[in-house]
Amino acid sequence: EVHLVESGGGLAQPGGSLRLSCAASGFIVSKNYINWVRQAPGKGLEWVSVIYSGGSIYYADSVKGRFTISRDNSKNTVYLQMNSLREEDSALYYCASGPSDGPPRYWGQGTLVIVSS
Amino acid sequence: DIQMTQSPSSLSASVGDRVTITCQASQDIYKYLNWYQQKPGKAPKLLIYDASNLEVGAPSRFSGSGSGTDFTFTISSLQPEDIATYYCQQYQNVFTFGPGTKVDIK
Repeated sequence: EVHLVESGGGLAQPGGSLRLSCAASGFIVSKNYINWVRQAPGKGLEWVSVIYSGGSIYYADSVKGRFTISRDNSKNTVYLQMNSLREEDSALYYCASGPSDGPPRYWGQGTLVIVSS
Repeated sequence: DIQMTQSPSSLSASVGDRVTITCQASQDIYKYLNWYQQKPGKAPKLLIYDASNLEVGAPSRFSGSGSGTDFTFTISSLQPEDIATYYCQQYQNVFTFGPGTKVDIK
């Protein structure tokens, strides 16, 4: 059975950093793509970043230059390094995965990031 | 970047009603359109993928159609457990979500 578990959220100050983790079980992260998707309180879903099985990486314009996605195949885990945090980055961050030719059908339960002074 | 629009933003219908939500992409996304259901405090759940394919385990009252830039999601007979927000999502070019449609019972 596929499971994704996010961790690493918490309280950060504006300008600060956090590193989120998405640990996978039941499938191999390097053979699938992993997305990060966020949802601010009371708002809709916003795609943040993706790492594909071949290693291609893309970011939403809102986080480009501040966030970095990476993958540790030995730990079957994907990370999201978030630097230069802003209050508008406050959200529940989900990781979501799918096969290279399919939709993101597996989602974690999310980790909450609060950016506030 | 591909932009997604959805309408309506919210709707209220009676149990048993047919409910339709539309989604439009800013450019051709072929069949690469998914529909998700999200209930409060829960992660999104995939219902329809590739415009018209019912996800395993999703009730058959949910269906989708369309291709190119215009897509439709339908609940054939609204049930109380369908109260949720529904999102379309394209994955032809990275990923983009629509703004969502909140569905309530009248």
